[in-house]
Amino acid sequence: KAGVTQTPRYLIKTRGQQVTLSCSPISGHRSVSWYQQTPGQGLQFLFEYFSETQRNKGNFPGRFSGRQFSNSRSEMNVSTLELGDSALYLCASSSDRNNYGYTFGSGTRLTVV
Amino acid sequence: AQSVTQLGSHVSVSEGALVLLRCNYSSSVPPYLFWYVQYPNQGLQLLLKYTSAATLVKGINGFEAEFKKSETSFHLTKPSAHMSDAAEYFCASNRNQFYFGTGTSLTVIP
Repeated sequence: KAGVTQTPRYLIKTRGQQVTLSCSPISGHRSVSWYQQTPGQGLQFLFEYFSETQRNKGNFPGRFSGRQFSNSRSEMNVSTLELGDSALYLCASSSDRNNYGYTFGSGTRLTVV
Repeated sequence: AQSVTQLGSHVSVSEGALVLLRCNYSSSVPPYLFWYVQYPNQGLQLLLKYTSAATLVKGINGFEAEFKKSETSFHLTKPSAHMSDAAEYFCASNRNQFYFGTGTSLTVIP
């Protein structure tokens, strides 16, 4: 079956702009989580959605937001981009509520210039 | 709050040698524990997971990990390193939320 699909793979944006990243989970998976990965901070949890509801949220400013649709596809949005937002954004999906294990997508590499 | 600590941000081994990557968790209640591998410009791939069914967990690519409650450890091992094992490895724990370690970069020397 198809894995977790993230689009686009690469993105270049200018400071101050906003961006939307998309994640399509594995068919049947209802839990979707987002992570930011940078060389300095490592993997940082952004938020998790389960059945269209945000279940957990990490320690990121309000510029970072997300949502999940009824088909479990998820989007995350970053407004007023800063240079420090440059990172690999990873989406992961899981079939069970307790998240016994994630399946990750290949990520979206965002560069803010 | 629970967390995981990976000892050694860089590990180098010779091809064919034992691989040992260390992970300790901090939680009074054993969480679910995982090892993931990440190749350059890729997402994370699940190697194995511990969910209290058995203390010795076998994963993909010949890796295994042993859960030791007395040591609060979940070290990852592979008897014989292969060049293709060179990657970044992450230990993670989960109880309501995933926590990742800072990662260990494995170099395999030919």
